[in-house]
Amino acid sequence: SAVISQKPSRDICQRGTSLTIQCQVDSQVTMMFWYRQQPGQSLTLIATANQGSEATYESGFVIDKFPISRPNLTFSTLTVSNMSPEDSSIYLCSAVTEGNTEAFFGQGTRLTVV
Amino acid sequence: GDSVTQMEGPVTLSEEAFLTINCTYTATGYPSLFWYVQYPGEGLQLLLKATKADDKGSNKGFEATYRKETTSFHLEKGSVQVSDSAVYFCALSGTGGSYIPTFGRGTSLIVHP
Repeated sequence: SAVISQKPSRDICQRGTSLTIQCQVDSQVTMMFWYRQQPGQSLTLIATANQGSEATYESGFVIDKFPISRPNLTFSTLTVSNMSPEDSSIYLCSAVTEGNTEAFFGQGTRLTVV
Repeated sequence: GDSVTQMEGPVTLSEEAFLTINCTYTATGYPSLFWYVQYPGEGLQLLLKATKADDKGSNKGFEATYRKETTSFHLEKGSVQVSDSAVYFCALSGTGGSYIPTFGRGTSLIVHP
């Protein structure tokens, strides 16, 4: 298994500001990605974080709004930019590690935009 | 594309009742199948998995069998506890060489004493 540390665990932010979420994995990682989970909903994939290159975004998500970095194999950040109340969600970091088929998840970041 | 369909919740049971949460999938190829659990205020934890047809995954008294003929992966537990109250997500991955999981909508389970 893998341990994924994600921070902050929660934050309350003013509209128009940005928040950067960090994700650190303790194992050899093959893939890292970011999900959004709106209240009472399932998980929606935002993007796959690619080491040393631009992330691969899903339909409906763009780099200007959700810039993602992955400077090395085990670390990634997601920034939620120019926030509005509609961005209030749980953001989850996930990774697939070497030798495994399952994805592991961080504890999530509970973001409230006021 | 791939998809996962779960029964709608919430599922409300009394302690020690039998639990079934239905999950069916549509996928090309032969995916791996998973159940994840999300306790209140927490992230997702892998509950169990099965990687090929007829495999049975089991953990913490929960089990699910990979049924290729019915494209199903139903979650069962013989006797639920209050502490099992959570949201359960069925998921698949591994089709087309991708390990990015596709999730069902989630099923909320509420267990009363």
